[in-house]
Amino acid sequence: QVQLQESGPGLVKPSQTLSLTCTVSGGSISSGSYYWSWIRQPAGKGLEWIGRIYTSGSTNYNPSLKSRVTISVDTSKNQFSLKLSSVTAADTAVYYCAREIAVAGLFFDYWGQGTLVTVSS
Amino acid sequence: DIQMTQSPSSLSASVGDRVTITCRASQGISNSLAWYQQKPGKAPKLLLYAASRLESGVPSRFSGSGSGTDYTLTISSLQPEDFATYYCQQYYSTLELTFGGGTKVEIK
Repeated sequence: QVQLQESGPGLVKPSQTLSLTCTVSGGSISSGSYYWSWIRQPAGKGLEWIGRIYTSGSTNYNPSLKSRVTISVDTSKNQFSLKLSSVTAADTAVYYCAREIAVAGLFFDYWGQGTLVTVSS
Repeated sequence: DIQMTQSPSSLSASVGDRVTITCRASQGISNSLAWYQQKPGKAPKLLLYAASRLESGVPSRFSGSGSGTDYTLTISSLQPEDFATYYCQQYYSTLELTFGGGTKVEIK
C-alpha cells in the first residue's frame, strides 16, 4: 500500500520561501507509471493543482504559480519536494502531495494527509 | 485554462435518496474527468476516472456519466458515510489540471 507523508514548517513569514517534502513509502518513486504532484487547499475552499514532477526530473507547473514554484525529486530518499517563494497570506493553505497516474490519465489515486502552512509574521 | 463549474454548490438529502451532481467544463474534455470525495480534515479520495470508470474498492452506488462539456456524478442510494464534499477534476489540459469548486452533500 503506497503512503505519502508531507513534512515541513507549519508557519512561514511573508516574502519568505515555503518548503515542504513528501516522503513516499510502500512503493518506489522511480516507477515509470506515475507523476508526483503538489496540490493545495485554502481553508473552506477548493483544490488547486500546483505542479508535478516525473522521476526523470521533468516538471510542469500551474501557470498561475510558475514564477514562484520549484518541485524537485530525490529518488535515493524516495522523496519529492516543493518550494514556493515570495509567499503571502494568500498562500496559506493545506498542502497535499499526491501520486498522479501517468498512463490512464492524469488523476490522483494516492494522497498524503495534508499539512497546514500558515503565512504570517 | 479550462474552468470547471459544479452545481449545486451544496445540497441536503436523506439516507436512501438518489443524488446527482453536475460538472460543466468551459470546453470539451473528452471524458478526461475524475471525481473525488473529501471528508472534513481528510485528503480527497478518488471515486471515478475517465468520467465513468469506478476506482477499485469504491461502492457501485457511485456512478458517472457525461460527454463533451457536461458530466454527472450519481449516488444511487445515499448512505450515512457519503455525506461529504465532492470535487470534479479535468485532465484534458495536461499542463494545467483544474478542479471544480465542490459540492457539499449534507444531511437533511
